[in-house]
Amino acid sequence: GENVEQHPSTLSVQEGDSAVIKCTYSDSASNYFPWYKQELGKGPQLIIDIRSNVGEKKDQRIAVTLNKTAKHFSLHITETQPEDSAVYFCAASGTGGSYIPTFGRGTSLIVHP
Amino acid sequence: EAGVAQSPRYKIIEKRQSVAFWCNPISGHATLYWYQQILGQGPKLLIQFQNNGVVDDSQLPKDRFSAERLKGVDSTLKIQPAKLEDSAVYLCASTRQGKVGEKLFFGSGTQLSVL
Repeated sequence: GENVEQHPSTLSVQEGDSAVIKCTYSDSASNYFPWYKQELGKGPQLIIDIRSNVGEKKDQRIAVTLNKTAKHFSLHITETQPEDSAVYFCAASGTGGSYIPTFGRGTSLIVHP
Repeated sequence: EAGVAQSPRYKIIEKRQSVAFWCNPISGHATLYWYQQILGQGPKLLIQFQNNGVVDDSQLPKDRFSAERLKGVDSTLKIQPAKLEDSAVYLCASTRQGKVGEKLFFGSGTQLSVL
């Protein structure tokens, strides 16, 4: 099955700095890569996603890049704000007939004011 | 639209006791997932339903865990008997049809502590 590795496990930045979270996946057939943000006491919420036919996607301060050859994808957050503090999960899916995303272990992002 | 509803929010039990969690997905969503999230880890799929049928339960510890979605709407997940290592947050999620690329909506989860 799919295996997703995520780094770093903890990321501490100053407000206004950029943050980058990296993930690798094992199954070359995976073709959909969502990112989720989980705030304390809540379930994960989708913030951005990318498909395998696209190399980069942006949405305001967040962007995701995908390198299919190397089987890795990254989340970039610019001009970080304290409200960006949360746990971020990457996921990969697309193989087989049903949608079953496999999640990474998560990155705890702390943005210091 | 209303989100995925889960109850209870918290549950504390002793090992070897039984416990049940309830989930009501977003109205009209055919696909329902139960995930286990151990502290410091990502969500791990336990079981996926499409309407009232099981799509994948390969990672469900069937000797102690069971789940059902009898009418294709809400679902219950049961653990009997519970072990210490079952302490985790149990997340329910749903999608409209279970197709790749659909948005996965999560509930707030049930935090289980087994003492």
